[in-house]
Amino acid sequence: DGGITQSPKYLFRKEGQNVTLSCEQNLNHDAMYWYRQDPGQGLRLIYYSQIVNDFQKGDIAEGYSVSREKKESFPLTVTSAQKNPTAFYLCASSTDSRNTEAFFGQGTRLTVV
Amino acid sequence: GENVEQHPSTLSVQEGDSAVIKCTYSDSASNYFPWYKQELGKRPQLIIDIRSNVGEKKDQRIAVTLNKTAKHFSLHITETQPEDSAVYFCAASKDRSNYKLTFGKGTLLTVNP
Repeated sequence: DGGITQSPKYLFRKEGQNVTLSCEQNLNHDAMYWYRQDPGQGLRLIYYSQIVNDFQKGDIAEGYSVSREKKESFPLTVTSAQKNPTAFYLCASSTDSRNTEAFFGQGTRLTVV
Repeated sequence: GENVEQHPSTLSVQEGDSAVIKCTYSDSASNYFPWYKQELGKRPQLIIDIRSNVGEKKDQRIAVTLNKTAKHFSLHITETQPEDSAVYFCAASKDRSNYKLTFGKGTLLTVNP
């Protein structure tokens, strides 16, 4: 569905635990992104990657880490250092650096219990 | 960095009326302005975009206008229908040097039958 898949759809984490969110795309896109969505806050950029083995911090990278070992995959780890991790997380991808459409995954809702 | 302000945060219209959502941006180097629609529980999807070399773009009932001098752009939806009810996000980015999107906080549009 749409070529970009996030899993799981819902995730529960205990305080103090790290958790990894999966994002896979089969669109052959070079660029991938992670956004966090909170009510009334819009979409805020966590990390982005323009090419394999390279990524940059977005506006709210503290407490998060990523890797880009394969073109198709861009997993996001929410670490215990993230003080308020409960949110809806969206992964996206786009073709290149010339401002084309960003395709979003269905999202993962993370809840800390 | 770029800052995108979006107004109003909520908008309620009667079916058949027009709806207008406005955004302002801070970085005069931004030159790509997409609009995304997010229905409840679904992923954001691109509905229309505009680049800085044009002032207006139209696609059926949806239009976007851009005023580079004033650094604002607007989404216009005519003949609104209940299925237009959703959250709409504007965004801005710069070509070439940094194409990551900066989003507004969103507008919840409700179209009443």
